[in-house]
Amino acid sequence: QVQLQESGPRLVKPSETLSLTCTVSGGSVSSGSYYWNWIRQPPGKGLEWIGYIYYSGSTNYNPSLKSRVTISVDTSKNQFSLKVSSVTAADTAVYHCARAGGFDSSGHYYYGMDVWGQGTTVTVSS
Amino acid sequence: QSALTQPASVSGSPGQSITISCTGTSSDVGGYNYVSWYQQYPGKAPKLMIYDVVKRPSGVSNRFSGSKSGNTASLTISGLQAEDEADYYCSSYTSSSAWVFGGGTKLTVL
Repeated sequence: QVQLQESGPRLVKPSETLSLTCTVSGGSVSSGSYYWNWIRQPPGKGLEWIGYIYYSGSTNYNPSLKSRVTISVDTSKNQFSLKVSSVTAADTAVYHCARAGGFDSSGHYYYGMDVWGQGTTVTVSS
Repeated sequence: QSALTQPASVSGSPGQSITISCTGTSSDVGGYNYVSWYQQYPGKAPKLMIYDVVKRPSGVSNRFSGSKSGNTASLTISGLQAEDEADYYCSSYTSSSAWVFGGGTKLTVL
């Protein structure tokens, strides 16, 4: 059973770069037809999709964050990572990694996010 | 991309049925049968409840069902139970090969 675990600094200073890692266990980040996503949730607010890296290595980002976001993968460590540059207080949130895509029991490819990390709280403050 | 539109809150009594709507555009909800619904308890990770508009992952109660008409998808919970009280989010795959979420709906079981 695949599990995801986020890790990284909990406190980041304004204007600096937020860096988080999602470690994949019970499966491989480079196998299958999965999208490996980052999603965030500001305090008291809803979910916001940040972007993904596809198993092939291609990426796609939320247009509202695209200029500041980079998602990469380290297959040797079975991890994928998120970097958000020039952070402000508005980037304070719980950050989740999640897996999307795959084949269900009937062999149908689906686009739901079926595996999530527990989330990690990142605060942007001096 | 704009967030999908959900009601901020819905409520119902135990045993009743409730429906949560999720409105998007022809570039997301209306254009693809790739709408998902997630249940989230406070301080916890979201849980996939419905995918591809109508399908339930293994282990999800059949009290949860999904549907879609045009640019609006819906989640219906029948036989409401106290444990269903949570936040619910819809999401859709989009024409930009991206995902978009709704603003979330808080379900209160009276």
